[in-house]
Amino acid sequence: GAGVSQSPSNKVTEKGKDVELRCDPISGHTALYWYRQSLGQGLEFLIYFQGNSAPDKSGLPSDRFSAERTGGSVSTLTIQRTQQEDSAVYLCASSLDRDGTYEQYFGPGTRLTVT
Amino acid sequence: GQNIDQPTEMTATEGAIVQINCTYQTSGFNGLFWYQQHAGEAPTFLSYNVLDGLEEKGRFSSFLSRSKGYSYLLLKELQMKDSASYLCAVRVPNSGNTPLVFGKGTRLSVIA
Repeated sequence: GAGVSQSPSNKVTEKGKDVELRCDPISGHTALYWYRQSLGQGLEFLIYFQGNSAPDKSGLPSDRFSAERTGGSVSTLTIQRTQQEDSAVYLCASSLDRDGTYEQYFGPGTRLTVT
Repeated sequence: GQNIDQPTEMTATEGAIVQINCTYQTSGFNGLFWYQQHAGEAPTFLSYNVLDGLEEKGRFSSFLSRSKGYSYLLLKELQMKDSASYLCAVRVPNSGNTPLVFGKGTRLSVIA
């Protein structure tokens, strides 16, 4: 079946603009995760959803970042008033169950460049 | 806090065996994952260990010692396509906002 998809694959934006990143998880996966990966760095956890709810949003780096998930499926990550330090690859992953032993399946990522 | 340590870079020869180590200090433990990530691509799942011992899957094996907070990924008969970053990740139960803690990854270069 289809894997995790993300759009856009690349986004170049000017500093101060808002951007919206989209993630389509694997059908039936209840848990959805957002990560950020800067060049040469590990994965920085941002937020996860169990169904439509995000139990803890403290992983988001600032209040310019927000995320939502509707219908237990598609999720969007919004960054307002982008800054150059927001430049990174934003990865989305989904799994069958957050608390189980199921692995996370990653999407191809969105490469965000803030100029 | 949670801490996952891996070497930053390793180089090995095609056809050889390489062992990538991972040590962790976390507030809890509910399994350890290894992921492979080729440059410019998303991580893909390689292995999962929750009990002590060795899990073998083809050319790849993963070992876990919970008492030592230690794991390794063993790659045999190295191929050029194995050049990638290898990420160690620990599942930490009841950890609040981050159920899976990732190390920074080990960049493996396979040379002829």
